[in-house]
Amino acid sequence: DVKVTQSSRYLVKRTGEKVFLECVQDMDHENMFWYRQDPGLGLRLIYFSYDVKMKEKGDIPEGYSVSREKKERFSLILESASTNQTSMYLCASRGTGRKTQYFGPGTRLLVL
Amino acid sequence: AQTVTQSQPEMSVQEAETVTLSCTYDTSESDYYLFWYKQPPSRQMILVIRQEAYKQQNATENRFSVNFQKAAKSFSLKISDSQLGDAAMYFCAYRSAEGGSEKLVFGKGTKLTVNP
Repeated sequence: DVKVTQSSRYLVKRTGEKVFLECVQDMDHENMFWYRQDPGLGLRLIYFSYDVKMKEKGDIPEGYSVSREKKERFSLILESASTNQTSMYLCASRGTGRKTQYFGPGTRLLVL
Repeated sequence: AQTVTQSQPEMSVQEAETVTLSCTYDTSESDYYLFWYKQPPSRQMILVIRQEAYKQQNATENRFSVNFQKAAKSFSLKISDSQLGDAAMYFCAYRSAEGGSEKLVFGKGTKLTVNP
């Protein structure tokens, strides 16, 4: 079974802090994704990566950056957290040529 | 750009009954995939069922089946013999099968409540 793990289930940070959300997958997938999930808005794509050191902006990249130094790990970075970044963050991965995307358990981030 | 619309923010069903969740999408492409994902209160999103647009036959997975109407751009999910464990948010999603697209486009979700 594909396993996608995220470093924290719950995180509380202060406004202005730098925040790192980590995601690791164990299936050698080329593609990894970061989504933000808010009630009534569904899932919105922040960034994705199709290979090591490669990244592309999704629909809502503002205020976020990403890092992919190793194939199995994809990090989401909030350079200076703001209260409007309070949300659920979901990581996902998918092998190139494969049809299904697999999700991690999510990180609920609260920015005070 | 493709869009996915789930017109039912909330639905409820009695245990053992059947419920249908609606999804429509907009695309100019002919080759794509459609998905239903389930997100229980524990928050792990899992795949329920997948449909390839080139397949005329509707996908089924045990108690879950879809009604895929390509011309109408409709992709509804039917859950038969509903169980308490089916209570969750359900998301419909679209992905292009044409070269270069890796993105899933999601609907806003339908919250399904199962009443005992």
